[in-house]
Amino acid sequence: GDSVTQMEGPVTLSEEAFLTINCTYTATGYPSLFWYVQYPGEGLQLLLKATKADDKGSNKGFEATYRKETTSFHLEKGSVQVSDSAVYFCALSKAGGGADGLTFGKGTHLIIQP
Amino acid sequence: EAGVTQFPSHSVIEKGQTVTLRCDPISGHDNLYWYRRVMGKEIKFLLHFVKESKQDESGMPNNRFLAERTGGTYSTLKVQPAELEDSGVYFCASSQVVVSPLHFGNGTRLTVT
Repeated sequence: GDSVTQMEGPVTLSEEAFLTINCTYTATGYPSLFWYVQYPGEGLQLLLKATKADDKGSNKGFEATYRKETTSFHLEKGSVQVSDSAVYFCALSKAGGGADGLTFGKGTHLIIQP
Repeated sequence: EAGVTQFPSHSVIEKGQTVTLRCDPISGHDNLYWYRRVMGKEIKFLLHFVKESKQDESGMPNNRFLAERTGGTYSTLKVQPAELEDSGVYFCASSQVVVSPLHFGNGTRLTVT
């Protein structure tokens, strides 16, 4: 079946450091890929998404590129802030660009220290 | 607009007891989803409602779990009787149509002792 694998952390970085959170997936066909973020005490929020190969999703300084050849969707940010501390979830969906029946990774806890 | 709201935010019950979780989706959202995250594991899909109908309940773990959405508005997820392995965070999400983004609630943290 479909699956998503991401580095589990916790990942601890200093403010202004470069961030990469790796995500790889296994799926048949052409899934849509997502990054969700959960800030402390809040629900999951969609951070960015990409629906086809070579698409780049971006939001709030975060970027991820859909790489079909490596089945990856790594999350990057050039300079992290303390406010980026959260749990990040990589996910895929088979439902034609939508979010029906998402398959999630285990989540990566990111801690940014001042 | 009000977001997806879930009640309670936390629940601690003993093994064998019954618990009912509630989810109020965003008004007008026909699609409602339940997900669960067991400690240290992936967030797993449980089921999907379209209005009051169960579109997909393939993720429901066993018959101790019962989800309803009477009238196509709020939904409840009942666990009866609860077991230790049911502990985790239960998320509800809604969307206007299947291809639109999901809006998640803050989750209900269930602890079974």
